[in-house]
Amino acid sequence: AQSVAQPEDQVNVAEGNPLTVKCTYSVSGNPYLFWYVQYPNRGLQFLLKYITGDNLVKGSYGFEAEFNKSQTSFHLKKPSALVSDSALYFCAVREQGDKIIFGKGTRLHILP
Amino acid sequence: DTGVSQDPRHKITKRGQNVTFRCDPISEHNRLYWYRQTLGQGPEFLTYFQNEAQLEKSRLLSDRFSAERPKGSFSTLEIQRTEQGDSAMYLCASSPTGGIAKNIQYFGAGTRLSVL
Repeated sequence: AQSVAQPEDQVNVAEGNPLTVKCTYSVSGNPYLFWYVQYPNRGLQFLLKYITGDNLVKGSYGFEAEFNKSQTSFHLKKPSALVSDSALYFCAVREQGDKIIFGKGTRLHILP
Repeated sequence: DTGVSQDPRHKITKRGQNVTFRCDPISEHNRLYWYRQTLGQGPEFLTYFQNEAQLEKSRLLSDRFSAERPKGSFSTLEIQRTEQGDSAMYLCASSPTGGIAKNIQYFGAGTRLSVL
């Protein structure tokens, strides 16, 4: 079965510093990978996806993610963090049939 | 495009009662999904539809749960004889099957269920 792991429950970063939120995956074929963000009392918002092509994927709000097949990772990155980036971030992988399997989430705190 | 709409936003019920939630997907999205999210966890897949056909159900979806999408537009999720363990956020998502947004699921704000 396909799965994703987010090894950090929480990540703290000072405003203006680069941020990384880690994700590793396990799939039986070519992965479809996603990052979503969840703000309080709101639904999940799509940030970016990797299907095929360039390993560096650019998404919304200045976020990007790097697909690394050898390390089975898909870490989310941003060069300069904003306080408004504080939220819950989910990595996800698409299984056969179109359902998405989500990680447990990583809470990102950007410190002013 | 008004996004995915879910109603109600919050539902408090007593154990043993039946509840029904509604989801209105983004218009022209022919796929619709239901997920359940508990505190500290990521969303867990429950079921999904392509148009009016229910294509897959998770084993999490016990026989007390039923979902419908009768005309291929809005969907309902019913929980019969609710239990305290059903307390969670129920999320709905929709996606198109073609175009640049293919493979992207767009989520509603969710319905938070509290079973007392």
